[in-house]
Amino acid sequence: GAVVSQHPSRVICKSGTSVKIECRSLDFQATTMFWYRQFPKQSLMLMATSNEGSKATYEQGVEKDKFLINHASLTLSTLTVTSAHPEDSSFYICSAWYSGGAMSFGPGTRLTVL
Amino acid sequence: AQRVTQPEKLLSVFKGAPVELKCNYSYSGSPELFWYVQYSRQRLQLLLRHISRESIKGFTADLNKGETSFHLKKPFAQEEDSAMYYCALKNYGGSQGNLIFGKGTKLSVKP
Repeated sequence: GAVVSQHPSRVICKSGTSVKIECRSLDFQATTMFWYRQFPKQSLMLMATSNEGSKATYEQGVEKDKFLINHASLTLSTLTVTSAHPEDSSFYICSAWYSGGAMSFGPGTRLTVL
Repeated sequence: AQRVTQPEKLLSVFKGAPVELKCNYSYSGSPELFWYVQYSRQRLQLLLRHISRESIKGFTADLNKGETSFHLKKPFAQEEDSAMYYCALKNYGGSQGNLIFGKGTKLSVKP
């Protein structure tokens, strides 16, 4: 139980285009989901907190107009990277707390911007 | 500010040897601490949380408030334990509810 899925698992896009990443809680509901970014051989850094029914909250230094978050339902949050540039290339991971008292992580989405 | 420190970037041991992955935290209140493991090309998986005081795959971790530590231990390492290990602290500050991660320790268990 407590599975989080992400789609797509990897995406390659051209500079200037937008990319949408979906995060779903498959067998539990999540009013809050978290979006992390992980650079190669580095730890996870929180980008934003996605809240169902309200605006996302962003960490300092994360551009909200560039990383659009929509928490459409209790099981779905989407992250849209707008006008992507090569420096946005990274591994994006979402997560959510489940009733067992721990956080479940998605498998991640590898974004490569050419 | 809350912070998690994992001083070792890489820890290499031989199979059957004891393992200790260090984790120190900074938080003035009662912490909620976790260990997550990430095997090659897989997602982060919960290994331990201090609240449950359980042993998973032979690993244990004890919270030491005096030393603000939550070190992960295993008496006899196995090759399949090779992975990245992250210590994490629940954030009670500005971004409430998320986890603050240490930089991670790569454990390599040699045959």
